[in-house]
Amino acid sequence: AQKVTQAQTEISVVEKEDVTLDCVYETRDTTYYLFWYKQPPSGELVFLIRRNSFDEQNEISGRYSWNFQKSTSSFNFTITASQVVDSAVYFCALSEDGGATNKLIFGTGTLLAVQP
Amino acid sequence: EPEVTQTPSHQVTQMGQEVILRCVPISNHLYFYWYRQILGQKVEFLVSFYNNEISEKSEIFDDQFSVERPDGSNFTLKIRSTKLEDSAMYFCASKDRGGDTQYFGPGTRLTVL
Repeated sequence: AQKVTQAQTEISVVEKEDVTLDCVYETRDTTYYLFWYKQPPSGELVFLIRRNSFDEQNEISGRYSWNFQKSTSSFNFTITASQVVDSAVYFCALSEDGGATNKLIFGTGTLLAVQP
Repeated sequence: EPEVTQTPSHQVTQMGQEVILRCVPISNHLYFYWYRQILGQKVEFLVSFYNNEISEKSEIFDDQFSVERPDGSNFTLKIRSTKLEDSAMYFCASKDRGGDTQYFGPGTRLTVL
């Protein structure tokens, strides 16, 4: 069965601190995709990154970086030098290639509060 | 940049009434989805739609729900007789044929009184 676990419900940091959001997933498929979405206070879901199961290269985009480790079924997200605008709920999600529709299975989200 | 749009942004209705939530997916996309997020909870899959039919639905998507693509651009979610527990944010998403990423609309907040 597929499942995504985000054990951190809430994280509070002070601006300019680095912060890592954890994501652990479960799937029986060998081909799958992992995603991070950001939900700011305005409520929309903003796509941040997609990773497929065959690509374990870490990725960096500006202050954001992602660490994908199949050995531990984790796909963690780090924000370097956090800013107040990073305050949001962050969702990790999984989609399996073998499914009929690639539906997204979301974790419960991590609320990140960045204090000035 | 093309985007998914949804109307209305907020809908208030009385219990037992029918509501229709509307979405305009990205124009060249072929896969369409509805998700639901009860306040403070995670985003849950409701239904996916491809080639003018439902391709998968969750256990949440019971007989009170239906989806339709009435023309080449709109994708609607109808709730026949709303219940208090249908109060949530409803997100529409779309994906193109060769892609893996679903792009979400801004959501419709449904409040059932």
